Amino acid sequence: AQSVTQLDSHVSVSEGTPVLLRCNYSSSYSPSLFWYVQHPNKGLQLLLKYTSAATLVKGINGFEAEFKKSETSFHLTKPSAHMSDAAEYFCVVSELSTLTFGKGTMLLVSP
Amino acid sequence: EADIYQTPRYLVIGTGKKITLECSQTMGHDKMYWYQQDPGMELHLIHYSYGVNSTEKGDLSSESTVSRIRTEHFPLTLESARPSHTSQYLCASSGAGSNQPQHFGDGTRLSIL
Repeated sequence: AQSVTQLDSHVSVSEGTPVLLRCNYSSSYSPSLFWYVQHPNKGLQLLLKYTSAATLVKGINGFEAEFKKSETSFHLTKPSAHMSDAAEYFCVVSELSTLTFGKGTMLLVSP
Repeated sequence: EADIYQTPRYLVIGTGKKITLECSQTMGHDKMYWYQQDPGMELHLIHYSYGVNSTEKGDLSSESTVSRIRTEHFPLTLESARPSHTSQYLCASSGAGSNQPQHFGDGTRLSIL
């Protein structure tokens, strides 16, 4: 069975500082991993995906994530936060076409 | 931007009414999904379909039903709405192949009085 743990329910940063959203997973197979972002009253938008190619994955809006099999982690980073990055972020593991969502991390960005 | 549409975006309605939430996608995806999401919480899969005339229940038990008569259309119906059905409902679709990312609509926020 697969599972996803997002280690922080809330992360607060100042505009212009780095962002780190942490995600650990467990999977019996070689999983695919995704990060999604959800702005208020909107659906989920795909930020990036890992599907067993390069371990460092670049996504939209300057986000990237690194797949570390030895640490079973897939942390999301961005060098410099923007006010528009304030949203909820979901780490998702996909195994045999079944998606499992983390509980989400709310990113708060202050001026 | 994914081409998947949900209507209505918001619905406030009384107990006992029959409700249908619409979901359509123009990407030709065979796989479609319905999720339920309470405020500040993760998504729970309630229904999915892998093609026309195929529907399955998801991980979270739901009193809703779905149908898949056309590839592009995956409506969700509540025969008799109750306050416990108040939630956000998100529709998604994905392409062929395993482990494809899902594309989401903007959701329907449902409030049952």
